[in-house]
Amino acid sequence: EAGVTQFPSHSVIEKGQTVTLRCDPISGHDNLYWYRRVMGKEIKFLLHFVKESKQDESGMPNNRFLAERTGGTYSTLKVQPAELEDSGVYFCASSQDGLREMLGELFFGEGSRLTVL
Amino acid sequence: EDQVTQSPEALRLQEGESSSLNCSYTVSGLRGLFWYRQDPGKGPEFLFTLYSAGEEKEKERLKATLTKKESFLHITAPKPEDSATYLCAVQALTSGSRLTFGEGTQLTVNP
Repeated sequence: EAGVTQFPSHSVIEKGQTVTLRCDPISGHDNLYWYRRVMGKEIKFLLHFVKESKQDESGMPNNRFLAERTGGTYSTLKVQPAELEDSGVYFCASSQDGLREMLGELFFGEGSRLTVL
Repeated sequence: EDQVTQSPEALRLQEGESSSLNCSYTVSGLRGLFWYRQDPGKGPEFLFTLYSAGEEKEKERLKATLTKKESFLHITAPKPEDSATYLCAVQALTSGSRLTFGEGTQLTVNP
């Protein structure tokens, strides 16, 4: 069974440019999460989709970040315009079963490293 | 605000030298506490869920325990392949399914 896949694995852009990160969850997983880890800090929650609906987007830092999950399958996270402080590793995670979701047993991808120069 | 503090930040052990990692937490009503393992360049991998004080979970050389204020991850007779960053996370009753992570403990086991 394929795991959570993220693309690109690494992106280097200049301040002010736009970047779009993609996440393909495990097939059949309704719950999809975005987290990020900035340098020297802990992994922090960004948002949670249930199918195509945003269940919780309280962790999104500002309106430069836009997440979508059309059709309830893959998700994209767009940063526009990117700032220096957006550099970090963006993780996507998925979970199928509602009970397991509440258990915190998430399946994480390998992350997309974003470097903003 | 929910908070998770892990100690030590880094730990070096010799193969076979048992030790414990600490996770202290502050949360407004704990739904669950979770341990993850993260290898370099990879995403976190789920290890354990603990729900209530006094609960213990075991997996191979790892045992996780929980009190009302902290959790310990005990590593018995570690092997070099146990080298990784160990992450602790909490889920509060009031925060939906969001996890709050600590910064992790980087464990190195030398042969």
